[in-house]
Amino acid sequence: AQTVTQSQPEMSVQEAETVTLSCTYDTSESDYYLFWYKQPPSRQMILVIRQEAYKQQNATENRFSVNFQKAAKSFSLKISDSQLGDAAMYFCAYMRPNSGYALNFGKGTSLLVTP
Amino acid sequence: DTGVSQDPRHKITKRGQNVTFRCDPISEHNRLYWYRQTLGQGPEFLTYFQNEAQLEKSRLLSDRFSAERPKGSFSTLEIQRTEQGDSAMYLCASSQKAGLADTQYFGPGTRLTVL
Repeated sequence: AQTVTQSQPEMSVQEAETVTLSCTYDTSESDYYLFWYKQPPSRQMILVIRQEAYKQQNATENRFSVNFQKAAKSFSLKISDSQLGDAAMYFCAYMRPNSGYALNFGKGTSLLVTP
Repeated sequence: DTGVSQDPRHKITKRGQNVTFRCDPISEHNRLYWYRQTLGQGPEFLTYFQNEAQLEKSRLLSDRFSAERPKGSFSTLEIQRTEQGDSAMYLCASSQKAGLADTQYFGPGTRLTVL
């Protein structure tokens, strides 16, 4: 079974600063997808960014980027120019395509953004 | 695009009662997933449909749980003889096989409280 570990239960960042959230995973597969989802308080889960394991280039979506290290099985999320609206739980998730498509989630990191 | 919707948003029930939740996926999505999220944890996969076929069930889905997706449209998740341990947020997600390859879009969830 694949496991996803988020070692930071809570993180804090000042507005306009940069923060990096960590995620490691355990798998013996070579083909898979990785995701970061954001869950604001009392609101639904929103996709932030995704990465295909076969792609060497790190994914970027506006202020959000990832550092994907396949050999190290590491998938960190960098948020640049943090905004108050970035405050949320962030979940890292692993999916193995062509075999159930279920997402395996980490326990999440709570991000606090201070003015 | 109206997104994934779930009904009800909140349900309070007494131990031993049966409850049923509904999920309406994004209209062109042929895959539908159910997850359970307890406090302080990431979502855990329960089951998955492709069109009307239930293709995978987690070991978390005990025989008190049943899910259906008649005609490949909306889905229902029923819990019989509820227990206090069933208290959780039940999340539904949908995805489309083509295009953005299995990105799952989540609904707002149904929060179940079993007294």
